[in-house]
Amino acid sequence: AQSVAQPEDQVNVAEGNPLTVKCTYSVSGNPYLFWYVQYPNRGLQFLLKYITGDNLVKGSYGFEAEFNKSQTSFHLKKPSALVSDSALYFCAVLGNTDKLIFGTGTRLQVFP
Amino acid sequence: GAGVSQSPSNKVTEKGKDVELRCDPISGHTALYWYRQSLGQGLEFLIYFQGNSAPDKSGLPSDRFSAERTGGSVSTLTIQRTQQEDSAVYLCASSFWTGNLEQYFGPGTRLTVT
Repeated sequence: AQSVAQPEDQVNVAEGNPLTVKCTYSVSGNPYLFWYVQYPNRGLQFLLKYITGDNLVKGSYGFEAEFNKSQTSFHLKKPSALVSDSALYFCAVLGNTDKLIFGTGTRLQVFP
Repeated sequence: GAGVSQSPSNKVTEKGKDVELRCDPISGHTALYWYRQSLGQGLEFLIYFQGNSAPDKSGLPSDRFSAERTGGSVSTLTIQRTQQEDSAVYLCASSFWTGNLEQYFGPGTRLTVT
């Protein structure tokens, strides 16, 4: 079965510190991986994607994610967190049925 | 350009009533998706449309749920005989094709069934 796991319901980090939001996946074949962010009372916004090529993918708002095939992971990272990064983050994988499979989301809280 | 729009933004209805939720995708996008986001849960796929192909309805939770897409553009999600467990945010997304390389989401409709 294809799936995405986000093991942390919430991640707390101080402003200026690096942040990591974890994601692991299970899919047959080559994965297409995505990160989306949801700000309060807003729809989801696309952050970045991995299709092929470099394992380190750079996206919007200074975020990046590293594809690790051996660990089946696609963790989201940012070198220096901002209070405005506080939001709900979703990892997703494209399944072989052309549907995005989303994780349950991780709430990121950045403290000043 | 305009993004994906959804209406209404909020809907409160009594248990047993029917509701219709509307989605206007980005012009030119051939693929359209509906998801449900319940409190504390991730996104649950409901249905998707791609061009003139038969829709993938595999995510619809019961036969009370149905969706149409007219003229390859606007879509309506209908929930009949609403139940309290239908309360959620219903999100619509569109993309150029079902390659899903990037889906664009609307702001959602928050449905509350009392």
